Amino acid sequence: ETGVTQTPRHLVMGMTNKKSLKCEQHLGHNAMYWYKQSAKKPLELMFVYNFKEQTENNSVPSRFSPECPNSSHLFLHLHTLQPEDSALYLCASSQDRGRSNEQFFGPGTRLTVL
Amino acid sequence: AQTVTQSQPEMSVQEAETVTLSCTYDTSESDYYLFWYKQPPSRQMILVIRQEAYKQQNATENRFSVNFQKAAKSFSLKISDSQLGDAAMYFCAYMGGNKLVFGAGTILRVKS
Repeated sequence: ETGVTQTPRHLVMGMTNKKSLKCEQHLGHNAMYWYKQSAKKPLELMFVYNFKEQTENNSVPSRFSPECPNSSHLFLHLHTLQPEDSALYLCASSQDRGRSNEQFFGPGTRLTVL
Repeated sequence: AQTVTQSQPEMSVQEAETVTLSCTYDTSESDYYLFWYKQPPSRQMILVIRQEAYKQQNATENRFSVNFQKAAKSFSLKISDSQLGDAAMYFCAYMGGNKLVFGAGTILRVKS
């Protein structure tokens, strides 16, 4: 596979469930990102990892827990979510954190919290 | 903090015609990058075009071009000879430090 892949593509979970979103990039990039995309709102940056180290947490509630075991993989662990957390969660990667670097996006996971 | 504003929630264009999507931003920085990303329905977001703030020449990529007005902090996207495949959500984005800031997006509909 090429580019940035995300699994699952769709996820429905109850507020008491625990689930994880997975992102994998096949581009040899060093930076990876989680974004939340809600309807009619700008994309919200959630977390940034650079060389496996978390460099940014954009005041995200602790019910979202990221994990980056290596530069190619990024996870978002979910627990006790709220209905307002329903959104499209996008993963992205870039060569590094330089300003000129294009971010490559995955297809997203459509999350519905019941 | 930097902000990006896309004032057109939706736009429509007839196939083969030209459409311009608006974007303004607010920043106190002098060196930064601006991007237009395209998100087709149920498909991945891809980069359409990028502009470096210190370059006065407007970026062009085939049918896509920008009108970058640095003093006015305006960065519009012009799509010429619109095609059905151009239908998508378009996001304007700003990167000054190391954080990409997005606008709310403009839905572009292409009519045949």
